[in-house]
Amino acid sequence: GAVVSQHPSRVICKSGTSVKIECRSLDFQATTMFWYRQFPKQSLMLMATSNEGSKATYEQGVEKDKFLINHASLTLSTLTVTSAHPEDSSFYICSAREYGTATNEKLFFGSGTQLSVL
Amino acid sequence: GENVEQHPSTLSVQEGDSAVIKCTYSDSASNYFPWYKQELGKRPQLIIDIRSNVGEKKDQRIAVTLNKTAKHFSLHITETQPEDSAVYFCAAKRYNFNKFYFGSGTKLNVKP
Repeated sequence: GAVVSQHPSRVICKSGTSVKIECRSLDFQATTMFWYRQFPKQSLMLMATSNEGSKATYEQGVEKDKFLINHASLTLSTLTVTSAHPEDSSFYICSAREYGTATNEKLFFGSGTQLSVL
Repeated sequence: GENVEQHPSTLSVQEGDSAVIKCTYSDSASNYFPWYKQELGKRPQLIIDIRSNVGEKKDQRIAVTLNKTAKHFSLHITETQPEDSAVYFCAAKRYNFNKFYFGSGTKLNVKP
């Protein structure tokens, strides 16, 4: 299957600082990438849909100014957590939908980033 | 929008037994139903998927069935092994829509 690379896998930062997480599709082009947040023993909570060359679409309740998403190319999307606070500590996972026909709908996940804000 | 419900939330089986996880969806226009397996601290991995023009699909010990009329689909794992222990997520997607809607997950524990 296709490979999605996510970095860093783990980051610890101080409260008030910003953290950038990268999501790359390594062997395919992804017009659409998704960012999820996952709390322990819970499901994947969709935060936003990232579309190449346009603004991200955020889910209700997700602060656009706090979680900045950039999808500048068909292989890279970034999530920046700005002015991080301890309550932002979580497991963040990206996923990518392979570019192509509408029936080519497989979703591939990155390995996730465990963010800890002190 | 779509609402996907998944049951049970936890499931314990003895090694060698079968496990069944069920999901229901609300949007009759959904036409793609993948299942993901997530081991602790790792990424969800696609294990099997089914499209709405098919009623059943099998891949070795794993099978998925779809009942479009009732709007439910199920994951069946036969001859379970300890390495099957993980959290399983179902999902549903509508044709030409971007979003995948995920179930709440089932923690499967296979006891040796």
